[in-house]
Amino acid sequence: EAGVVQSPRYKIIEKKQPVAFWCNPISGHNTLYWYRQNLGQGPELLIRYENEEAVDDSQLPKDRFSAERLKGVDSTLKIQPAELGDSAVYLCASSLGAAPRGETQYFGPGTRLLVL
Amino acid sequence: DAKTTQPTSMDCAEGRAANLPCNHSTISGNEYVYWYRQIHSQGPQYIIHGLKNNETNEMASLIITEDRKSSTLILPHATLRDTAVYYCFRGGNKLVFGAGTILRVKS
Repeated sequence: EAGVVQSPRYKIIEKKQPVAFWCNPISGHNTLYWYRQNLGQGPELLIRYENEEAVDDSQLPKDRFSAERLKGVDSTLKIQPAELGDSAVYLCASSLGAAPRGETQYFGPGTRLLVL
Repeated sequence: DAKTTQPTSMDCAEGRAANLPCNHSTISGNEYVYWYRQIHSQGPQYIIHGLKNNETNEMASLIITEDRKSSTLILPHATLRDTAVYYCFRGGNKLVFGAGTILRVKS
């Protein structure tokens, strides 16, 4: 069974440029998560989807970040415009249901973003 | 506060048991405790989770105190490949990872 797929694996951009990350979850997983991980810290949840619905986006900086999960399968996270402080690893995870009810999250390898 | 508290780092001799503690004193009754680990440049990997009872699988054991305010992850026979950052994580309305414990297994 294929795991969570993310692309690109690495991205280098200049500040003020837009950038997008793509995630394909494990087949059949209804819940999808985007996390941001700064160097030396644990992952921080940005947004959680249950099917097509964003059920928790309270930590998503909505002035520059947006996300979508059309058709409830793959998802895209966008930053426009990027700032120097956005340099981080962006992780996507999926689970059969929502983790609060005891579902295990499976993580992708992440996209490492460097903003110059 | 929805975060967990873990020691910054620990060392363990190869072949010995590694005991990693986590404090989650404000955990609520329906929140699970999860443990993940992360090897450099990879996404976090699930290890084990539990609610009230102690749990064991092929990777590790999880001991949760009766008041559920803390837990310990036990790797019974640590190997060099267990060197990683270990995260204790409360699953609830807010999904929050702690800072993690850097476990160094030494030969």
